Amino acid sequence: KNQVEQSPQSLIILEGKNCTLQCNYTVSPFSNLRWYKQDTGRGPVSLTIMTFSENTKSNGRYTATLDADTKQSSLHITASQLSDSASYICVVSASYKLIFGSGTRLLVRP
Amino acid sequence: KAGVTQTPRYLIKTRGQQVTLSCSPISGHRSVSWYQQTPGQGLQFLFEYFSETQRNKGNFPGRFSGRQFSNSRSEMNVSTLELGDSALYLCASSQRQYEESYEQYFGPGTRLTVT
Repeated sequence: KNQVEQSPQSLIILEGKNCTLQCNYTVSPFSNLRWYKQDTGRGPVSLTIMTFSENTKSNGRYTATLDADTKQSSLHITASQLSDSASYICVVSASYKLIFGSGTRLLVRP
Repeated sequence: KAGVTQTPRYLIKTRGQQVTLSCSPISGHRSVSWYQQTPGQGLQFLFEYFSETQRNKGNFPGRFSGRQFSNSRSEMNVSTLELGDSALYLCASSQRQYEESYEQYFGPGTRLTVT
């Protein structure tokens, strides 16, 4: 069964600190992996999209990594800001369908 | 370029009623997908339209249906509403259907409450 699992479910960090969110997937055939940021009450916004051949991709303070062998991805946030408080959703594309993880809810405190 | 727009933004309906939600994609985008998001289930794929044809469908009952018009605007309809249909309904558009690394842009969503 195609599945995307994210951890932790929620996370609280202090402003300025770094954090890493995890995504494990069992999806076949794999096409690409995406990370989305969703602010409360709004639609998700794409942060990165990585294909099989890409190991790392950055978008400002966000850096995503992909290990296609172990089927794991991580999203690293550097020097967190209050505006980073949101849900982060890992999505894997397979056979023309998107499989969504349940998300990690991040709260950045001053 | 205007983003994806969804109307209405908020809706309250009673059990048994039906509802129609509308989505206008980004100009030039031909693919429109619909998602249901609830706190318990997260984001779930409903269906995807490309050039007025439904190309993919998620695991939702037949009460959920949709269509796409020649201008790429899309509507989804839910008939015989149930309390469990209360959710945020998101629409997303992209230029092409599921090619590698295509970018999908989400609208703000329609918050549906069924009482």
